Amino acid sequence: NAGVTQTPKFRVLKTGQSMTLLCAQDMNHEYMYWYRQDPGMGLRLIHYSVGEGTTAKGEVPDGYNVSRLKKQNFLLGLESAAPSQTSVYFCASSWRGAPTGELFFGEGSRLTVL
Amino acid sequence: KNEVEQSPQNLTAQEGEFITINCSYSVGISALHWLQQHPGGGIVSLFMLSSGKKKHGRLIATINIQEKHSSLHITASHPRDSAVYICAVNSLVYGGSQGNLIFGKGTKLSVKP
Repeated sequence: NAGVTQTPKFRVLKTGQSMTLLCAQDMNHEYMYWYRQDPGMGLRLIHYSVGEGTTAKGEVPDGYNVSRLKKQNFLLGLESAAPSQTSVYFCASSWRGAPTGELFFGEGSRLTVL
Repeated sequence: KNEVEQSPQNLTAQEGEFITINCSYSVGISALHWLQQHPGGGIVSLFMLSSGKKKHGRLIATINIQEKHSSLHITASHPRDSAVYICAVNSLVYGGSQGNLIFGKGTKLSVKP
């Protein structure tokens, strides 16, 4: 079982470039999340989705956009990358919302913005 | 804001030791999660609990809602338990129904053979 798959796993960008991170899950989960993890800080929620066609802002949404056109995919876009967006990005999914639903995480995507 | 505090930040143990990692939180919650982040970076959910105690293999998680405190215990620790253990809570104030979890910074555990 693939579970939650993130692509790419590593990427180096120059300031101002754009890119998209793809998260795919094969568990038919309704809820999907994008987090970022920075040294010395806990995971922080960027955006989330409670179903196909829906998205909502999390704690740190600025500089990111998301789309959930298909239930199994949740895309995270950076329109104009900045060095402050250097981070490790994790996608997660759950059948129910995080209060009562077990979270399944991808392996992470390490992004460096020069 | 540090609604979720974990202790210790770093922990080194000898194989076979009993290990306790603590998580204290300052907000009302509906659920608490314990996660394990492997050295390679992947994150796995260990427990989700809202009351009492749960056990899975050598791992035991407890929560005291009144004291706003949870502990993760590892019995007969093994080098393969070396990882970062993360506590996360669903705050009744900030989380909302969709579950924006508040994460602790993690406890880095190293178990020596």
